[in-house]
Amino acid sequence: EVQLVESGGGLVQPGGSLRLSCAVSGFTFSNYWIHWVRQAPGKGLVWVSRINEGGSTTTYAASVKGRFTISRDNAKNTLYLQMNSLGAEDTAVYYCARVLVGSNVVIFDYWGRGTLVTVSS
Amino acid sequence: QTVVTQEPSLTVSPGGTVTLTCASSTGAVTSGYYANWFQQKPGQAPRALIYSTSNKHSWTPARFSGSLLGGKAALTLSGVQPEDEAEYYCLLYYGGAYVFGTGTKVTVL
Repeated sequence: EVQLVESGGGLVQPGGSLRLSCAVSGFTFSNYWIHWVRQAPGKGLVWVSRINEGGSTTTYAASVKGRFTISRDNAKNTLYLQMNSLGAEDTAVYYCARVLVGSNVVIFDYWGRGTLVTVSS
Repeated sequence: QTVVTQEPSLTVSPGGTVTLTCASSTGAVTSGYYANWFQQKPGQAPRALIYSTSNKHSWTPARFSGSLLGGKAALTLSGVQPEDEAEYYCLLYYGGAYVFGTGTKVTVL
């Protein structure tokens, strides 16, 4: 069974840092891109970042570029999102999602249940 | 800043048909935008429905279909069921980054 489980969320003060994890099982982690997506309370989905199968290619949304760093450890089947200089606008549920990229195809399929990050003093 | 626009809300009767669209501020949506569609119910994670414009996942009900329509990506629900009431999001690829649509709330009434 394919599973993605996020963890590491919580309450953090403005300007603080937090590292999220996404532990996966049930599939060959190193064969997939993994993305982070967030959703502020009562708002829509927002794409945050992605990392390729081997970890050599990363991309970020403009709103988090320079503050967030995505990484992965294929030996541990785990994805990470290091978040620095957090502000109230970063308050959201953060989801990780599995993505298969092939010739003329991009397939988002499995998602985790999310972890809540609250930035507040 | 790229904006992907969807209808804020649509209402459909049980058994009816409704089409949701997904428009890009950069111009016509083509197959190269690899549109993906997701359904989200309150308190739940998004669930993938359609990938690369028109392809269904193994779990996607047959009544859901994806296409390109008038320069937009489209999701059509045919023979709508009460359990289809949800928020629907499209996602488009922009050569590296991705952008979600603003979302459509579908009410089955």
